[in-house]
This record gives sequence, structure tokens and C-alpha cells, in this order.
Amino acid sequence: AQKVTQAQTEISVVEKEDVTLDCVYETRDTTYYLFWYKQPPSGELVFLIRRNSFDEQNEISGRYSWNFQKSTSSFNFTITASQVVDSAVYFCALSEDNAGNMLTFGGGTRLMVKP
Amino acid sequence: DAGVTQSPTHLIKTRGQHVTLRCSPISGHKSVSWYQQVLGQGPQFIFQYYEKEERGRGNFPDRFSARQFPNYSSELNVNALLLGDSALYLCASSLFPRNTEAFFGQGTRLTVV
Repeated sequence: AQKVTQAQTEISVVEKEDVTLDCVYETRDTTYYLFWYKQPPSGELVFLIRRNSFDEQNEISGRYSWNFQKSTSSFNFTITASQVVDSAVYFCALSEDNAGNMLTFGGGTRLMVKP
Repeated sequence: DAGVTQSPTHLIKTRGQHVTLRCSPISGHKSVSWYQQVLGQGPQFIFQYYEKEERGRGNFPDRFSARQFPNYSSELNVNALLLGDSALYLCASSLFPRNTEAFFGQGTRLTVV
């Protein structure tokens, strides 16, 4: 069975600090896909990134970066120079489906960025 | 272009009642998935439908059912509501099986009293 663990339930930082959200996953599949979603107070899940199990290259998109390490089954997310607008709940998810259907989500990390 | 739309946005029902939630996918998307998100937890997968056929089912009781219509919209039905069914119900659509992500609606907040 697939499982995603986000050990940090809540993180509070001051604006402009860097913050890393941890994600550890379990799966027996050799082909799988990892995702990060952001959930603002409105409730809608906003897609941030998809990674497949064969691509361990780290990725950077503006202030966001992701570190995928198959050896430790981790897919961590770093926000550089955090801003108040980054405040939200962030979910890591796993799927054997590349279109992101039938996702297994972690419990989420609530990030609060204070001015 | 309209995103994934769900109706109603909020709903209050009594224990034992039945509820129907609706979802309209993004135009051109033929896959719809349903998730239940209990307050303070991550979403849990309930169903996926593709081309009107059930493609996947999560670990939910038979009180939960769904269907997809010829226009690819979908309904989630829950019978004999329990207090524990109170949650945010999220619908997602995608261009499955193409390699792209699922887009989520804003959800239906169901409260069972």
C-alpha cells in the first residue's frame, strides 16, 4: 500500500526566511509519481509540481525548489525568501498514475508566514 | 476558461439522509476523481471515472457511489449519512490518460448534524 508522511503539521516563519517542508513516501511500485499541492483558505488544491520516479533531478521554479531523493524516499519542498502569500496548507502526494488521479495524500503541513 | 466547478458549495444534512454532490470538469477533460477531506487531514481518494466507467475506488463503504454522464460531469452520492461524513468533498478533472496534472475544484463543504 502507498503511504505519504508529512511529519511537520505546522511551521511558522517570519517573512524572508527560507523554509523546507518534508515529505517521506512508501510504495512498492517501481514507477510512481510525486506531487506537491498548495491549499489556500479557499479550499481549492493548487498544483505545484509533478515528478516521476525515474527523474531524480532537483527542480527550481522561482522561489520554489524540490529535492527528490529515492534512496531516502523523500521529496522535500523548499521556499526561499518566504512571503506572507505563501501561507497555506501544503500537501505532498503519491500516485502510480502520471495524470495525478488516485492520489495518496500526506496529512499536510500548515505554513504560516508572519510579516 | 472555466475551471472545475462543484455544487453546492455548502450543504447541511441530517444523519440518515441522502446527499448528491455535483462536479463539472474542465472542458475537454474526460476523467473525474472525487476526494474526501476531513478537517485537519489530507484528502482521501474515493472514486475515479474515465469515459463514464469507474476506473478506481478507494476504501469507502458502499454508501458512497458515483457516476459520470455523457457530458463528463459527475455526481457523488452518499446514502445514510453519518456524522463522520462531514467533510470537504473535492472533485478533480484531468486529461487522463495524457501526462498532465489533475485540476481541483473548490469543493463542497458537507456538514452532517
